[in-house]
Amino acid sequence: DGGITQSPKYLFRKEGQNVTLSCEQNLNHDAMYWYRQDPGQGLRLIYYSQIVNDFQKGDIAEGYSVSREKKESFPLTVTSAQKNPTAFYLCASSPDRGREQFFGPGTRLTVL
Amino acid sequence: EDKVVQSPLSLVVHEGDTVTLNCSYEVTNFRSLLWYKQEKKAPTFLFMLTSSGIEKKSGRLSSILDKKELFSILNITATQTGDSAVYLCAVETGNQFYFGTGTSLTVIP
Repeated sequence: DGGITQSPKYLFRKEGQNVTLSCEQNLNHDAMYWYRQDPGQGLRLIYYSQIVNDFQKGDIAEGYSVSREKKESFPLTVTSAQKNPTAFYLCASSPDRGREQFFGPGTRLTVL
Repeated sequence: EDKVVQSPLSLVVHEGDTVTLNCSYEVTNFRSLLWYKQEKKAPTFLFMLTSSGIEKKSGRLSSILDKKELFSILNITATQTGDSAVYLCAVETGNQFYFGTGTSLTVIP
């Protein structure tokens, strides 16, 4: 069953803690993306990766970090430097440029 | 600065009505425009448009792109309650996708 998965579904964290969100795909897609969605706003790009071991900052990368050691996996770490991390985080993948993105179910992060 | 603007922000209609959602954009290096439907969680893909004037159609949904005027519309005919969702427009440039804020559609029985 091909698809893109994210875990956990809900995540709570205390201020000052780093937390890592998981994103895995078995679609054999080259490109992967992380977005943040806030109420009343569109999706904003945090990081993207076109190939393994390479990634680029999006518009709101500050306070976040990523790695792309395997084609299937693109974890996102929300660091304590991110001032307002409470949001809905969506991971997506795409076969390559010029093709549509497929989205995971999302992780809702709440900072207490 | 690249930007994508959708209108209206929200819309409430009765079952059976026809709706038109708008998406305008200003980006450098336009490659394609995409429409997604988001119900609570993951957006699901509807259409990808790359050429002006060619309508894409899927059931009651259709979409068209005007690259001269820099906009696209998404039409939904004979709306049903299952069409209630947020509809997102995204524009692909060289490396990134820029999303609009979405149009929230509510269909009342």
